[in-house]
Amino acid sequence: GESVGLHLPTLSVQEGDNSIINCAYSNSASDYFIWYKQESGKGPQFIIDIRSNMDKRQGQRVTVLLNKTVKHLSLQIAATQPGDSAVYFCAEDSGYSTLTFGKGTMLLVSP
Amino acid sequence: DSGVTQTPKHLITATGQRVTLRCSPRSGDLSVYWYQQSLDQGLQFLIQYYNGEERAKGNILERFSAQQFPDLHSELNLSSLELGDSALYFCASSALGTYNQPQHFGDGTRLSIL
Repeated sequence: GESVGLHLPTLSVQEGDNSIINCAYSNSASDYFIWYKQESGKGPQFIIDIRSNMDKRQGQRVTVLLNKTVKHLSLQIAATQPGDSAVYFCAEDSGYSTLTFGKGTMLLVSP
Repeated sequence: DSGVTQTPKHLITATGQRVTLRCSPRSGDLSVYWYQQSLDQGLQFLIQYYNGEERAKGNILERFSAQQFPDLHSELNLSSLELGDSALYFCASSALGTYNQPQHFGDGTRLSIL
């Protein structure tokens, strides 16, 4: 899920499908990771977080997987709905609670 | 609604001018963070305050400064504005300034420099 230039990678799914959004993080010392959802005209909205002593964490319809070996995060959204359409960002805590954000992935859900 | 309030929602001004952006954190949150979001740079951390004290600095220009007041609201001051400062500016807050707590964002101030 990393972007190139101004263009966000886009994931297009049908309503009811499961979505998987990927993110590569940069700092092997980061020990806390967050997924945010940003809708047009709004600020980033917290979805789910995970600490580095965990591989998986589940929320309501969302699951985050962490692979520290390859510095990779993924966000799985079950039964994707049109209201899930937004830009999704992963963020890593590089220390002192300062977040470094990925470039984002746009999720488009068609009814 | 995250509970973080930012004003104004939009600002239009000219090059060389100075503006102040305001943020009220969630009730009880002691830490405030400022971020800049632009198309080419994405979301970039600028500065963090905890209970009135500067705690961390990111990619913040010398023309920019911030402060956190005793009532915990924060202001970001941008001076000698340039066209490239046009961006969305977000404030976030987190609980008690403790480690590994999610930050909650306001809906931002859109700054346009003409």
